[in-house]
Amino acid sequence: QITLKESGPTLVKPTQTLTLTCTFSGFSLSTSGVGVGWIRQPPGKALEWLALIYWDDDKRYSPSLKSRLTITKDTSKNQVVLTMTNMDPVDTATYYCAHYADYYFDYWGQGTLVTVSS
Amino acid sequence: SYVLTQPPSVSVAPGKTARITCGGNNIGSKSVHWYQQKPGQAPVLVIYYDSDRPSGIPERFSGSNSGNTATLTISRVEAGDEADYYCQVWDSSSDHAVFGGGTQLTVL
Repeated sequence: QITLKESGPTLVKPTQTLTLTCTFSGFSLSTSGVGVGWIRQPPGKALEWLALIYWDDDKRYSPSLKSRLTITKDTSKNQVVLTMTNMDPVDTATYYCAHYADYYFDYWGQGTLVTVSS
Repeated sequence: SYVLTQPPSVSVAPGKTARITCGGNNIGSKSVHWYQQKPGQAPVLVIYYDSDRPSGIPERFSGSNSGNTATLTISRVEAGDEADYYCQVWDSSSDHAVFGGGTQLTVL
């Protein structure tokens, strides 16, 4: 059974760096073809893909946010970490991590709401 | 960057068929995936690779993809199908995921 859970601060100040952790179980990020992605959703708005890390440590980022994002993995801990620099109120959103396989996301975490406010 | 266009809303009476479209330039050449999101919940994959259903998803959910439009079809709509639906593709030219703007399905 695949499960994922996001953790991190619920409130960050503008200009701060956000660090989110995705802790997962039921699969290994060292298995060929597997990945973990991050997707966010501002309140009342659509889903927005942010980043993806593959089993072989290859990484992909949203072109519009690439300069602010870093995704890393710790295979031994079954964790993926996303950092986003220079947070702004428009970055207020629910952030999801999801299991990636063959170009789609088949298992999602419950999401974590991050509010950016001074 | 590749753009996916969905109607903001679709309404359907119970027992009828709902069709939610996802438009994109030559989307028929890509694989389209669909997610259902109910209020306060995480998205759930309902269709992958245009028309495949994950285990546990009712047969009432089906998908098609051709030309510039992909379609999610929900037959014999139930009140519990009321949700937001998102299409998604992997844009191979830029090597990243793209989501549509979402469609709110209302069951009348």
